[in-house]
Amino acid sequence: DIQMTQSPSSLSASVGDRVTITCRASQGISNYLAWYQQKPGKVPKVLIYAASTLQSGVPSRFSGSGSGTDFTLTISSLQPEDVATYFCQKYNSAPFTFGPGTKVDIK
Amino acid sequence: EVQLVQSGAEVKKPGESLKISCKVSGYTFTNYWIGWVRQMPGKGLEWMGIIYPGDSDTTYSPSFQGQVTISADKSISTAYLQWSSLKASDTAIYYCARLATTGWPPAPAAFDPWGQGTLVTVSS
Repeated sequence: DIQMTQSPSSLSASVGDRVTITCRASQGISNYLAWYQQKPGKVPKVLIYAASTLQSGVPSRFSGSGSGTDFTLTISSLQPEDVATYFCQKYNSAPFTFGPGTKVDIK
Repeated sequence: EVQLVQSGAEVKKPGESLKISCKVSGYTFTNYWIGWVRQMPGKGLEWMGIIYPGDSDTTYSPSFQGQVTISADKSISTAYLQWSSLKASDTAIYYCARLATTGWPPAPAAFDPWGQGTLVTVSS
């Protein structure tokens, strides 16, 4: 099965900083990659699907890129409400594995 | 509005059986895959399996194959996750989520929306 890794596992940044999270698949998955945000105590919410398509209603400071095995999620200007854990997920074929998550907080 | 509403929290003893539910509304239940996701306390998301209610085609993660059973009842637009013999290590929040699609022909487009989660606590 394809394994998903993320880096870093956690990061601390200042409000207004540009933040980049990386997700890597052990084999190519084309662009079948989604990013989710989970705030503490809340249900996960999709931010990006098809590697780079912004889900309706998601702020434009979030963006995704990549194809094949390497993907990135970028927050162009970190806001206090972005404190959360971010997960990537492959969905080209089962199992639809999640990455281990990246915890983002404010410095 | 598409909604997935899960059954309430459960407290069970090791060895007991359990079936939790995910009732959907706002779309045709039989046209979309429904997945189940586990989140153990303080941990990440684990994909457990998925079912297509139209024909009950089901696929499990290797980690959960044989440990749980996923099913669906088309007549009441409800998906289920069940255990025959719970362990303490099954303590977690369990989420159902719809596999959304985009474009034509429909292509998968991530899990959205999600149910509110069901907390299962297994303790003697």
